[in-house]
Order: sequence, then C-alpha cells, then structure tokens
Amino acid sequence: KQEVTQIPAALSVPEGENLVLNCSFTDSAIYNLQWFRQDPGKGLTSLLLIQSSQREQTSGRLNASLDKSSGRSTLYIAASQPGDSATYLCAVSNRDDKIIFGKGTRLHILP
Amino acid sequence: NAGVMQNPRHLVRRRGQEARLRCSPMKGHSHVYWYRQLPEEGLKFMVYLQKENIIDESGMPKERFSAEFPKEGPSILRIQQVVRGDSAAYFCASSPKRGNYGYTFGSGTRLTVV
Repeated sequence: KQEVTQIPAALSVPEGENLVLNCSFTDSAIYNLQWFRQDPGKGLTSLLLIQSSQREQTSGRLNASLDKSSGRSTLYIAASQPGDSATYLCAVSNRDDKIIFGKGTRLHILP
Repeated sequence: NAGVMQNPRHLVRRRGQEARLRCSPMKGHSHVYWYRQLPEEGLKFMVYLQKENIIDESGMPKERFSAEFPKEGPSILRIQQVVRGDSAAYFCASSPKRGNYGYTFGSGTRLTVV
C-alpha cells in the first residue's frame, strides 16, 4: 500500500531564503509525482509534474526532483517571497490510477 | 478553456438531508476522481469514474455515499442522510486519459452539516 510522507509538517523562513520541502513514498512503482499548492480555504494548484522517467522539473523559482529508486522527491523554492506562504502537497500516481497525497507542509514566509 | 468546475462552492445541510456535489471535468477529460479533505487531514481518495462507469470506489464509505458520471452532464457525488462527520471539503480532479498525464483539480465544495 502506497504511503506518502512529507517533512517537515510546518516551516517558517525569512523572506529571501532558499528552502527545500521533502516528500517520500513507499512504493516506487509510480506513474508520476505532482507537487501542488493549496491556499487556506482554496483548491489545489498544480505546480510541477514529474513523469516516472524524469529526474526533475523546473518552473520559475521552483525545482522539483525525483529519485524513484529511493522513493524521494524534493521541492526547492528559491528566493522565497511572502506570497509563497501556503500548504504544499506532494502526490504520487500509482499504476492503479489513484493518486495518493501526503499531508502537506505548511509554509510561512516571514516578511 | 475552463478548468474543472465544481458547484456549489459551499453547501450547508442539516443532519439527515441529502447533499449533491457536482463536478464538470475539463473539456476533453473523460476521467474523474473525487477526494475528501477532512479538517487537519490530507486528501483521501474516494472514487474514480469514467463516463458511465465506476472504475474504483475503494475509498467510498459503504453506506450513504454514491457517485456517478453519466454520458451527458457532470459527475455527481451524492451523500444521503448526512451526519456531522461528513463535513469536509470535497475535491474533484480530471485527467484526459488513464496513465501518466497528471491531474487538474477543481476549487472544491465545502460541505458543512449542522
């Protein structure tokens, strides 16, 4: 049974710092891994999608890596801004088509 | 090109009433997934549907919950005789095909049972 864990559960950093969010999963037989952002009371916004054959994806200040063999992914945020404050969710898609979410990391960027 | 549309955004029901949540997938998407997010918990898979078929309902409670995705119209998640524990945010996602395509989520329906 696939399990997704995100560490840390919450993180506060001063504006301008670079930071890394971690995601681990127990079953390496995945189709893809997606990072989402969720603002309080809102829906999910897809940030990056990494296919199982890829090692990383980049979008602006965001970079996500995937190491399938070790069951790990990281989301790197460069030069953090107060607008980056949100909950970041990692989700893996298994071959049975369900996507399994981690519980998220609540990020707070201090102005 | 509208995204995944869910309505209503907010729904209040008294205990014992029925709740109907609607989801229109993105244009061209024929695969729909429903997830539930309880307060302070992660998103939990409920059901996966294609047009007129339930593919996987392993996450659905055995009683009171049902889902459909008819040939015409939106997907419907139906909760009968709601209880306070059903209060949650319900999210719908769609994808164009089975497999390695990623998912687009709607903004969710926040159900409050009073």
